Amino acid sequence: NAGVTQTPKFQVLKTGQSMTLQCAQDMNHEYMSWYRQDPGMGLRLIHYSVGAGITDQGEVPNGYNVSRSTTEDFPLRLLSAAPSQTSVYFCASSYLSGEDGQISYNSPLHFGNGTRLTVT
Amino acid sequence: QQPVQSPQAVILREGEDAVINCSSSKALYSVHWYRQKHGEAPVFLMILLKGGEQKGHDKISASFNEKKQQSSLYLTASQLSYSGTYFCGTEGPPDKLIFGTGTRLQVFP
Repeated sequence: NAGVTQTPKFQVLKTGQSMTLQCAQDMNHEYMSWYRQDPGMGLRLIHYSVGAGITDQGEVPNGYNVSRSTTEDFPLRLLSAAPSQTSVYFCASSYLSGEDGQISYNSPLHFGNGTRLTVT
Repeated sequence: QQPVQSPQAVILREGEDAVINCSSSKALYSVHWYRQKHGEAPVFLMILLKGGEQKGHDKISASFNEKKQQSSLYLTASQLSYSGTYFCGTEGPPDKLIFGTGTRLQVFP
């Protein structure tokens, strides 16, 4: 059971380059999300998805795109990398529950091992 | 809006106790707690749901006061393995799980 798999583990980009950070989970989780972690800033939510075909913005979405074509995969795209996007990126997934249309995060988040991205 | 954690850092000797607080300006449906070791991914500790419950996990427990929109994590008789950064994650409208800035805990022999 692989859990949440992120690739690559490390990446160096030049300003203006584009790239895709991959995230895949094999637990059939409805919820998938991307966080970035910077010193003193904690974990900040970039984008998230509550199911295939559904995505929404988090706290810091600018400069990033996502899509969710399957339950298993949730790639994060940097269209034109900037030095401010130098960070450690974590993908996380979990089950969702809820009643009467209200989504509840009652299950633990499972995190990938992270991608360390440097933009020069 | 990120929940506010306090203190930002704690230094303990083995066997001492600590409390980490997490507060939000929004109504909360649930609170998550995670611990992260240096260079690793965050690891789940516990979830508290609205209803004011308190949960325990070995010598680590937590409470959730939904009226005050606050949660506290209690670490008793700390061990070296407790060292790391602790994050609370809060769930409130509109359906997002947002993390605080973290509390760095160091336990020395």
